[in-house]
Amino acid sequence: ELKVEQNPLFLSMQEGKNYTIYCNYSTTSDRLYWYRQDPGKSLESLFVLLSNGAVKQEGRLMASLDTKARLSTLHITAAVHDLSATYFCAVDNTDKLIFGTGTRLQVFP
Amino acid sequence: ETGVTQTPRHLVMGMTNKKSLKCEQHLGHNAMYWYKQSAKKPLELMFVYNFKEQTENNSVPSRFSPECPNSSHLFLHLHTLQPEDSALYLCASSQVWAEGGEAFFGQGTRLTVV
Repeated sequence: ELKVEQNPLFLSMQEGKNYTIYCNYSTTSDRLYWYRQDPGKSLESLFVLLSNGAVKQEGRLMASLDTKARLSTLHITAAVHDLSATYFCAVDNTDKLIFGTGTRLQVFP
Repeated sequence: ETGVTQTPRHLVMGMTNKKSLKCEQHLGHNAMYWYKQSAKKPLELMFVYNFKEQTENNSVPSRFSPECPNSSHLFLHLHTLQPEDSALYLCASSQVWAEGGEAFFGQGTRLTVV
């Protein structure tokens, strides 16, 4: 059974700081996705990572995938308040997505 | 028109009621999903439909009954629910076997069982 773990579960960080969210998964997969969810809202797709070594960047967020280590990272550079949300990674498992526990990020001044 | 539309957005129902959640996708995808999101729990996959055929039932109680009449529509029929079934129910669609294959989510139905 595929298990997807994220850490940390909660992250409170100051504006301007950098931090990394980690996503580990238990079985082989070469498709990994990152989503963002604002309170009371649905999930918004951020990144699609399809191969080992894939790196995608959008604004202050950068995601990478290491399929050999079964690890993806979401790096936040110079955080701003607008990045406050819950971030989920999801791993493709025979054409269905299994989600991690989510990382609730709060950025404060 | 958004890619994945869910109705209603909010639903309050008693434990003896019968109601249905509706999901419609306008993206031409061939797979649709129901997920449940409870407070303090990860997103739980409930049902998967590929090409209108149910391919996954993730040990969901029979008081939840899915229906997929075509590749664009997905329903979740609810009856005799319990208070612990109160949650956000999210519908998603994707194009399986395609490059990318990311899932697109609807806005969700916030269900409260009283």
